This record gives sequence, structure tokens and C-alpha cells, in this order.
Amino acid sequence: GESVGLHLPTLSVQEGDNSIINCAYSNSASDYFIWYKQESGKGPQFIIDIRSNMDKRQGQRVTVLLNKTVKHLSLQIAATQPGDSAVYFCAEDDAGGTSYGKLTFGQGTILTVHP
Amino acid sequence: DAGVIQSPRHEVTEMGQEVTLRCKPISGHDYLFWYRQTMMRGLELLIYFNNNVPIDDSGMPEDRFSAKMPNASFSTLKIQPSEPRDSAVYFCASSILLGSGETQYFGPGTRLLVL
Repeated sequence: GESVGLHLPTLSVQEGDNSIINCAYSNSASDYFIWYKQESGKGPQFIIDIRSNMDKRQGQRVTVLLNKTVKHLSLQIAATQPGDSAVYFCAEDDAGGTSYGKLTFGQGTILTVHP
Repeated sequence: DAGVIQSPRHEVTEMGQEVTLRCKPISGHDYLFWYRQTMMRGLELLIYFNNNVPIDDSGMPEDRFSAKMPNASFSTLKIQPSEPRDSAVYFCASSILLGSGETQYFGPGTRLLVL
């Protein structure tokens, strides 16, 4: 089946820098995308989501960009803080299809923020 | 609310033994999901319930795995007999809505090691 994948397995940044985490997806039918943060020993935590009728969505210090043409998703974190260090996953859902509600997760990117 | 509660947090067992993982969803959440996370395969959906009824179990790896939800506040995932390749972190999540990452909350996970 189709899957979501990440280009970079690790990202190391300095505190205060902006971080960009990328994700490529292959299912052209996917129309809902989510970014999760997972800290060590914890379950994934919702960060932000975006539906396919949007190109950009902003939250608090985070922005998700969606490029449907190239099937690419990115998460931007502004002024990265040590507390942002975690594994970040993108996930996709085909809300209009038979797999509705069945999230497909990417492999994850490890973000390390140095003080 | 205490969030999604899972028990045990850690389980070590020997191959061939029965393993039962437990989950208490957030009160009022109609959807309950079981996921498995491994380094090789990432985070995978195994099964999900709606109002205690299993809706999609296509992610359950084989007949050794079974899940039940006898009431709205309790679910189990059972592996019988267990095998070393079942070693993983198993997450339970609950949600008010389907296809809404913002309302889906994950538990802390059960780390299973099968020797």
C-alpha cells in the first residue's frame, strides 16, 4: 500500500533557530494531514493539522505547509526551544475513501535542539 | 481528566505466553484505537472501535492478536501465543471524532518485550 515517508531522519538546531521538518506522501487521495510530536517514553501528541483545501495553516510557533502538486508536507517551528526536542511524525488520512480514520504515519524525524 | 490510561506500562514475557494489554479511554470518546510502534515499521494502526464495536481490524497482524471492548471504558489487546517479533510499544488512543487528529489522544503506551 501507499505510505508516508520522511526525507531526513535527524535534525539538529540551535535554540532560537527556526526548524523545518519535511514529509513526502505518496497517496494522492489523502486529503487530511497531521503532525505529531512524540517525546521519549510518551505517546504521540497532536501539534497541528491541515486539510487538502488549504496550502498553509499556522498555530502557535508552528506552521504547516502543504504542496499537493509534489505531495509534500512540512512543519516549521519558529524560535525552536530545547523543549521541542522530540520525534516528529507526519500522518495522512483519506477522509473521502474507504480508509477514512485510518491514519498512515511516516517514519519520523528526530529533532534535537541545542541550548 | 487523566487522559488515556494504559496498563501495564512495561511487560516482559517469554515466547509462547499470553499477553494482555489494557486501555481505558477518555470518558465520552466514542472511538478507540490500538497502534503498534516498532523501529522497522513505525507506527501502525491495528484496529479501531466505534461505540465498543470493532470497525476495522485489517491492521491486526494475524490470528494470534485479538482485541475486545466490552464497555465504553475498557479495551484489551491480547496476543496468544506471543512471539519475539511482537516486541514493540503498543499505544491506545481515543477520540471524539473520526478523522480528527486534534481530538485523538494517545496513551503512554505499553512497552512489550517477548523473549
